[in-house]
Order: sequence, then C-alpha cells, then structure tokens
Amino acid sequence: ETGVTQSPTHLIKTRGQQVTLRCSSQSGHNTVSWYQQALGQGPQFIFQYYREEENGRGNFPPRFSGLQFPNYSSELNVNALELDDSALYLCASSTSGGAGDTQYFGPGTRLTVL
Amino acid sequence: AQSVTQLDSQVPVFEEAPVELRCNYSSSVSVYLFWYVQYPNQGLQLLLKYLSGSTLVKGINGFEAEFNKSQTSFHLRKPSVHISDTAEYFCAVSRMDSSYKLIFGSGTRLLVRP
Repeated sequence: ETGVTQSPTHLIKTRGQQVTLRCSSQSGHNTVSWYQQALGQGPQFIFQYYREEENGRGNFPPRFSGLQFPNYSSELNVNALELDDSALYLCASSTSGGAGDTQYFGPGTRLTVL
Repeated sequence: AQSVTQLDSQVPVFEEAPVELRCNYSSSVSVYLFWYVQYPNQGLQLLLKYLSGSTLVKGINGFEAEFNKSQTSFHLRKPSVHISDTAEYFCAVSRMDSSYKLIFGSGTRLLVRP
C-alpha cells in the first residue's frame, strides 16, 4: 500500500538560492525520512522526523533542514544551493520508524541546480 | 558503520531466463535486509525484506532472496524474468538497534531483452 506524494515533480534553481520540497505521507504514518539520490547512485539518508521531532540525521550539512507537520505533511529545505545538490529527493513514510518497518517512498522531486 | 555492495552495475538477460542480482553487506552489528525496485521516473517499491526466521524470503512479482550470514550476502533471484522487470534494483540494510536509516547499495540495472 502506497500513497506518498511529493511536489513539485521537477525544479530548477541557481546556485545560492533556497528551495523547499514537500511531501505528504500516508495517513497514520508518524515517521518521515528524506533521502538524496544522485544520478547513478543509491539513495543517501538525509534525516528522519518522528512526530514532528528530528529523530536522526545523516552526513549532511546544517543547510539541509526539515519540518514535519501534524497533518502528515513534511518539508525539506535546502539553503545556499550548490551544484552538487542536483539530485532526486525522495521522501519515505512509515508507521513507527522502527528498523524493520517498511518505508513507503514517494516518486521524488528532481532538483537541478545551475 | 554499515555498507552495501552490489557487485553488478548492469545485468542484461533474455526474457524468460533466470536472473540473480548480487548483494553483499558489511556491518559490525546485526542488520535487517531489504530489496527495493525503482522503475523509471518512479520512487522505490519494496520487493521483500528479511527480518528473522527462514533465510529464504519470498517477495512480490515472483522475486525471492536468500540471506547468508556467513557470506554476508542477500542475493535476489527470479526464475523467469519478464520485459516488465526492467528496472533499477537496490539492496539496503538497517541496523537492528537503530530506528532511522536505510543504507543503500549503488544499484543494479536489470535489462530484460526479448
């Protein structure tokens, strides 16, 4: 069962700008994770939120930040965009965020930084 | 730290032939194991996962995988592939004692030819 949506589908920004990506999780899923997938690579974990609190973070700088809202929506914000930020950004939701939980992925937002 | 190695970046195979996609992992702690599939311009979909119990795991679309602890492997197999199986396949692990992240391999592109 899926139902995770992301917006926008594609986005083009220039270096130094700021961007906000949005995700809508499945109802009842209290956990959302964000991943960055560079071209030709596997997804890399950015961070996870559980009930509106950051629950873990990968090896990404502080200019990557997030928010989770009570209505199962969430945001990924990236400040001071760099060329290397060009990637597919995926959000994934799960019920409790436990290690064995299935994470349901959205279709992603393709960000291009020029 | 954990890492996942997918030994083949691309696997070409003829329709109705069997296929095996290889995955090896490295971890100092116990992990759960996952296989995800990504069709073009889509997010990731879970094929199967190993949490405990029988080392042979059956998933969707006729795929199965076998966990081999001594070899630290989790190879994915299908006895007869279809054109529609053409996609990118990702192996991933998560620590049993951690709630928050999947660590992915770099992916294997399965190309099914008629």
